Amino acid sequence: GIQVEQSPPDLILQEGANSTLRCNFSDSVNNLQWFHQNPWGQLINLFYIPSGTKQNGRLSATTVATERYSLLYISSSQTTDSGVYFCAAGRDDKIIFGKGTRLHILP
Amino acid sequence: GAVVSQHPSRVICKSGTSVKIECRSLDFQATTMFWYRQFPKKSLMLMATSNEGSKATYEQGVEKDKFLINHASLTLSTLTVTSAHPEDSSFYICSARRPSGSRYEQFFGPGTRLTVL
Repeated sequence: GIQVEQSPPDLILQEGANSTLRCNFSDSVNNLQWFHQNPWGQLINLFYIPSGTKQNGRLSATTVATERYSLLYISSSQTTDSGVYFCAAGRDDKIIFGKGTRLHILP
Repeated sequence: GAVVSQHPSRVICKSGTSVKIECRSLDFQATTMFWYRQFPKKSLMLMATSNEGSKATYEQGVEKDKFLINHASLTLSTLTVTSAHPEDSSFYICSARRPSGSRYEQFFGPGTRLTVL
């Protein structure tokens, strides 16, 4: 089955810094999502992005399907951005989650 | 919007009892719902895919007699953990797919934390 790898596993940044999170996948996909899991466990949809580039405020994402990777950019980080960011990728309805990137934003 | 709710949010039960978790899509009809399990500080693992009016499809290694899934309507799927044991303690999260052609985006509920004593 498809393998989804995220890097880095942990990231500690000062408030105001920018960050790039990476998601590599081992096979072609037509379904790719980025999520933020808050401290209470809720998964927040950030982007549905099987290909192309999208932006939403301080967040943007790019998926290069032919090269099998996706990037999530967070600019001007805030303490509320802390948490775990998951990438999930796959074919049709079946998505595989990566292990996540744990982001700590220091005040 | 695309809001998915789960109930209960937290449950503590004794070993041997059964626990039912409800997943509802509040503002859309979901022909397909999904059940995931997450261990502390780990990733989400798909347990089963639930389609309205038909039997659920379970992932390899998931006991279908242990984890009973019912998708009785377009807005409700239930997961029943039968004869729960401490090793079933986990965070269970459901998701729902809003029918929209080739867009496979899933929306997640807030999760249910199960503790089996």
